Amino acid sequence: GAGVSQSPSNKVTEKGKDVELRCDPISGHTALYWYRQSLGQGLEFLIYFQGNSAPDKSGLPSDRFSAERTGGSVSTLTIQRTQQEDSAVYLCASSLRADSPLHFGNGTRLTVT
Amino acid sequence: GDSVTQMEGPVTLSEEAFLTINCTYTATGYPSLFWYVQYPGEGLQLLLKATKADDKGSNKGFEATYRKETTSFHLEKGSVQVSDSAVYFCALRLTLTQGGSEKLVFGKGTKLTVNP
Repeated sequence: GAGVSQSPSNKVTEKGKDVELRCDPISGHTALYWYRQSLGQGLEFLIYFQGNSAPDKSGLPSDRFSAERTGGSVSTLTIQRTQQEDSAVYLCASSLRADSPLHFGNGTRLTVT
Repeated sequence: GDSVTQMEGPVTLSEEAFLTINCTYTATGYPSLFWYVQYPGEGLQLLLKATKADDKGSNKGFEATYRKETTSFHLEKGSVQVSDSAVYFCALRLTLTQGGSEKLVFGKGTKLTVNP
């Protein structure tokens, strides 16, 4: 069956530009997560959605980062005024319920030049 | 805060060698514990899990036992194969509380390379 789909798979942008990263979770999965994977830093939690609401936004690094989820499905992570330190792989994951295993997408590799 | 510490990599082994990747955690409450694996060019996938003390998770020849007394969840395999070459992540998730966060907290990952 279809897994978690993320787009684009690669994004190169200039410093100061805004970017939008998209995540299509597995159909029927109520929980959705965004993580950031930087070299040598492991996986850094960004935000958690249950349905369309975000009970935990504690991992968003600054107010340049925002995310939304609509229709209990697709989620968009937006980074405004990108900085070089935003370069990383952004991973999305979904799970059937809050206590179910996470299914990860292949990520979006963001490079800020 | 809640955290996971796993052994620094990279780890390089010969085929059929014994593997241990250490993982310890700090958490308030009673977490569930997980090992995720990321094969080259692929997304993370769940390898095994344990939800309470003394549980043993197992999959694909890998095992890990939830040790509450030592706050550990070490990953072991008796005989590794070249195909086990990947990055392994230990993670915890706290028991569901109403309205609370269900995020997983991950370690930094351990890269394993198995040579023929």
